[in-house]
Amino acid sequence: GESVGLHLPTLSVQEGDNSIINCAYSNSASDYFIWYKQESGKGPQFIIDIRSNMDKRQGQRVTVLLNKTVKHLSLQIAATQPGDSAVYFCAENNNQGGKLIFGQGTELSVKP
Amino acid sequence: NAGVTQTPKFRVLKTGQSMTLLCAQDMNHEYMYWYRQDPGMGLRLIHYSVGEGTTAKGEVPDGYNVSRLKKQNFLLGLESAAPSQTSVYFCASILGLAADTQYFGPGTRLTVL
Repeated sequence: GESVGLHLPTLSVQEGDNSIINCAYSNSASDYFIWYKQESGKGPQFIIDIRSNMDKRQGQRVTVLLNKTVKHLSLQIAATQPGDSAVYFCAENNNQGGKLIFGQGTELSVKP
Repeated sequence: NAGVTQTPKFRVLKTGQSMTLLCAQDMNHEYMYWYRQDPGMGLRLIHYSVGEGTTAKGEVPDGYNVSRLKKQNFLLGLESAAPSQTSVYFCASILGLAADTQYFGPGTRLTVL
């Protein structure tokens, strides 16, 4: 049936600080995880991904950490900037036709 | 190339009307997906396609139909729109399972009155 809309978790940080966004995933069989950024009025944009044979991966200003023991994923953004303000979604690929399962999302707000 | 495009960008329907949303990609991707996104929620998969001429149901397929007659296009149809289908619809595609990152279109905002 239809799900009721929920208020997104929010994270407010000061410009220049580091941000950490957390996500719990559901399926222990999932072997690929992605973080997406979605700005208002736009589609999700790929940020960084990680496979289950890794526990850490770094990109430009972003790091993803994977803890398979507790099925937890986190996104760290270094030196957060106003342009980082968006909703961030984690997604897991559970090996079923390339389908992704999305988390609820976290709204990041950066204060100047 | 244009990536993933969607038409229309906005649409308002009355209950019971029908419409088709078009998704097009010019990246020669095999897999295509239709999602809906409701306020405060993540994306939920409606239908998907693993290649031309094939479609499969996702998490919330009821009230929607899809077709993939051409590899580059994936159509989402609403035969009899209901207010519960008011949402933002996103299309996505991937080259194949070896390249898992999904590329998303800009979305279609649909309101059913």
